[in-house]
Amino acid sequence: AQSVAQPEDQVKVAEGNPLTVKCTYSVSGNPYLFWYVQYPNRGLQFLLKYITGDNLVKGSYGFEAEFNKSQTSFHLKKPSALVSDSALYFCAVRDPLAGGSYIPTFGRGTSLIVHP
Amino acid sequence: DAGVIQSPRHEVTEMGQEVTLRCKPISGHDYLFWYRQTMMRGLELLIYFNNNVPIDDSGMPEDRFSAKMPNASFSTLKIQPSEPRDSAVYFCASRPDRDEAFFGQGTRLTVV
Repeated sequence: AQSVAQPEDQVKVAEGNPLTVKCTYSVSGNPYLFWYVQYPNRGLQFLLKYITGDNLVKGSYGFEAEFNKSQTSFHLKKPSALVSDSALYFCAVRDPLAGGSYIPTFGRGTSLIVHP
Repeated sequence: DAGVIQSPRHEVTEMGQEVTLRCKPISGHDYLFWYRQTMMRGLELLIYFNNNVPIDDSGMPEDRFSAKMPNASFSTLKIQPSEPRDSAVYFCASRPDRDEAFFGQGTRLTVV
């Protein structure tokens, strides 16, 4: 079975400071991992993904995520937060060994608040 | 491509009425998903289709919910009769075979 956890309901950072949004996962094989962002009154937008290769993945809007197999984590990071980054962030995992139609499991979401 | 298109964006209806939500996926995408988002339960997968065929509807909460995909460019999610606890944001998403999904803007449903 595949599962994903976002341990923080909310993360608050000051503008200009680095930010981290945490995600841990559980799968049988090597995971496919995704981050999505949801701005108010909008649908989820894809930010980045890890399938294979470099553990550090770069995505949209200056975000990056680091895949850590030993810690089963895929934390989202940004060196310098902007107020406009304030949104809901979702981590998702897909287990390629799960068979079927490769349906991801989404986390509960983490609300990121960047204050001026 | 205009992305995944959902209609209406907002729907307010009275309890007991039938509600139909509509979705046009991105052309060429093999998979279509219907999700429901609430504060209490987060993002829930209701049903998904592969090549217009429903594959897994185990997330559909009750028989009052039904979904169809008559062709590759259109899907509907119907609630009949609607209840106040169905109030939520409903998202449609589509994706190619194994890649990331693309979400629509959502339909905010309020049942009074």
